[in-house]
Amino acid sequence: DTAVSQTPKYLVTQMGNDKSIKCEQNLGHDTMYWYKQDSKKFLKIMFSYNNKELIINETVPNRFSPKSPDKAHLNLHINSLELGDSAVYFCASSPRTSGRRETQYFGPGTRLLVL
Amino acid sequence: DAKTTQPTSMDCAEGRAANLPCNHSTISGNEYVYWYRQIHSQGPQYIIHGLKNNETNEMASLIITEDRKSSTLILPHATLRDTAVYYCIVRGGVDSGYALNFGKGTSLLVTP
Repeated sequence: DTAVSQTPKYLVTQMGNDKSIKCEQNLGHDTMYWYKQDSKKFLKIMFSYNNKELIINETVPNRFSPKSPDKAHLNLHINSLELGDSAVYFCASSPRTSGRRETQYFGPGTRLLVL
Repeated sequence: DAKTTQPTSMDCAEGRAANLPCNHSTISGNEYVYWYRQIHSQGPQYIIHGLKNNETNEMASLIITEDRKSSTLILPHATLRDTAVYYCIVRGGVDSGYALNFGKGTSLLVTP
């Protein structure tokens, strides 16, 4: 009965490969997010989707493409992986974006290591 | 988004109150103050939020100064499991799409 789940938990891959990370929330939330936490532990927003529609797209290389098949899922596909993509990727969800009081619920993270 | 300033690290003895300060002098009138924490290797966890009034829940208390330029998160009886990085965040407006802008946070170490 995990609220926000991510798969896989660990991902080790070679440079140049294409990989996907999946995220699912069973909270009935309208909005989902992807955050990246680098080796210096800074946590930064990458994307945000509301009801399957992209609403935030930070300065992220277009090798990263979020895909939302339905509002309970937000997957992250990464093409041509680079060493600098190594990080922990967190998925999150919140009920809606229209209120400043909405809290976000985070998944356990996916640890990506590019060799 | 209003910028926040927090001490880099703090220590607290187990069982004592942990008081974590945060400065947000440029906060606008309708922005909320949120606190999250990240225990090692886990996803961030919501703790508490407030606008003007002091707030309390089962995890912590939030004290916001009258001018709203600073706040303090209080963990009344810290335990070893409260060791984490604590983030004070001013909730973004429409332009940021309501993303959370995490700073460096305060690394709290609770010692036996």
